[in-house]
Amino acid sequence: KAGVTQTPRYLIKTRGQQVTLSCSPISGHRSVSWYQQTPGQGLQFLFEYFSETQRNKGNFPGRFSGRQFSNSRSEMNVSTLELGDSALYLCASSLSSVKRSYNSPLHFGNGTRLTVT
Amino acid sequence: QKEVEQDPGPLSVPEGAIVSLNCTYSNSAFQYFMWYRQYSRKGPELLMYTYSSGNKEDGRFTAQVDKSSKYISLFIRDSQPSDSATYLCAMSETGDDYKLSFGAGTTVTVRA
Repeated sequence: KAGVTQTPRYLIKTRGQQVTLSCSPISGHRSVSWYQQTPGQGLQFLFEYFSETQRNKGNFPGRFSGRQFSNSRSEMNVSTLELGDSALYLCASSLSSVKRSYNSPLHFGNGTRLTVT
Repeated sequence: QKEVEQDPGPLSVPEGAIVSLNCTYSNSAFQYFMWYRQYSRKGPELLMYTYSSGNKEDGRFTAQVDKSSKYISLFIRDSQPSDSATYLCAMSETGDDYKLSFGAGTTVTVRA
């Protein structure tokens, strides 16, 4: 079974630009979450989608947005990039149904490394 | 103070030693507790997943949760050089869908 696939693996952008990252979950997984990982702050939750609806959101500015498609694939968008947005962006998927259960942990992809110059 | 505290290390041990990792937390509502392993340039890989207090063993790995002390541990027996990685603890509240709170991660090196 293929794992969580994130594209692209690496991105270099300039301040002020916008960027879109893509995530394909494990087949059959309906929940997709996004996390930002930086050396200073560690892993921080961005948002989670289930059945094309955002169910939960972390404490990030509105420049960070996402969406999920009917096939469970997800995209994350960051507008007006800042230097501090340089990070590893991780997508994770899960079998989740309506409510999280003991048997549906998160499985992460290898991330997209975003560098803002 | 961070919600989840984890000593970043680094931790260096000889091959065959027992690796002991731990995290403390402040949110008493946490019910789900996880340990992830992350190799360089890779995403976190789930190692152990426990619900509420107690112990769980899986091969060379043992996870312990003590909710009364707000303390979780991961033990790796007979450590191998392939265990060299960053280990992250993570936890979440019941019903809080996928909003995991992570520790900073402990970097472990197992010397051959």
